[in-house]
Amino acid sequence: AQRVTQPEKLLSVFKGAPVELKCNYSYSGSPELFWYVQYSRQRLQLLLRHISRESIKGFTADLNKGETSFHLKKPFAQEEDSAMYYCALSGSSFNKFYFGSGTKLNVKP
Amino acid sequence: GAGVSQSPSNKVTEKGKDVELRCDPISGHTALYWYRQSLGQGLEFLIYFQGNSAPDKSGLPSDRFSAERTGGSVSTLTIQRTQQEDSAVYLCASTDGTVGEKLFFGSGTQLSVL
Repeated sequence: AQRVTQPEKLLSVFKGAPVELKCNYSYSGSPELFWYVQYSRQRLQLLLRHISRESIKGFTADLNKGETSFHLKKPFAQEEDSAMYYCALSGSSFNKFYFGSGTKLNVKP
Repeated sequence: GAGVSQSPSNKVTEKGKDVELRCDPISGHTALYWYRQSLGQGLEFLIYFQGNSAPDKSGLPSDRFSAERTGGSVSTLTIQRTQQEDSAVYLCASTDGTVGEKLFFGSGTQLSVL
């Protein structure tokens, strides 16, 4: 069965420190992986997806099929990165999205 | 419209009452999703509509929950005989139906059952 696991409910780092938000998935086929972000009082929005291999706001994520992981990384966290982050999975043959439980990132000044 | 629209933004109801939540997706989007967002629970899938296909109702938590999508556009999520554990933010999202295409979310309906 498809499953997305985000082991950390809360992650606190200081401004300028590196940050890594963990995401592990369970899926037997070829997954499409995404990171969605929800800033305070804003709607949930796409941050990045692995098929685009893009870097948004300094964040990157690499799909590791061996470890079934899609961790989100940023070398130098900023206060404006404080938000709720959700990892999501969709399949190559279906269009249903499975979300993790989310990680709240708090970047302290 | 410019984005996915949900109404009402807030709904307070008494236990046992029925509620209807509305979602107006982006024009032309064939796929529509309902999720429930609870503290510590993340995003819980409820139901998925794709074009004229039968909806995927596998996420509905009980038979008190139902949803319909009229004319392939507006969707209504109905919760009958509401319970306190139904209190959550109900999110609607839509996509153009392409596999792997990103979701566009509405701002949600905050439901509080007293």
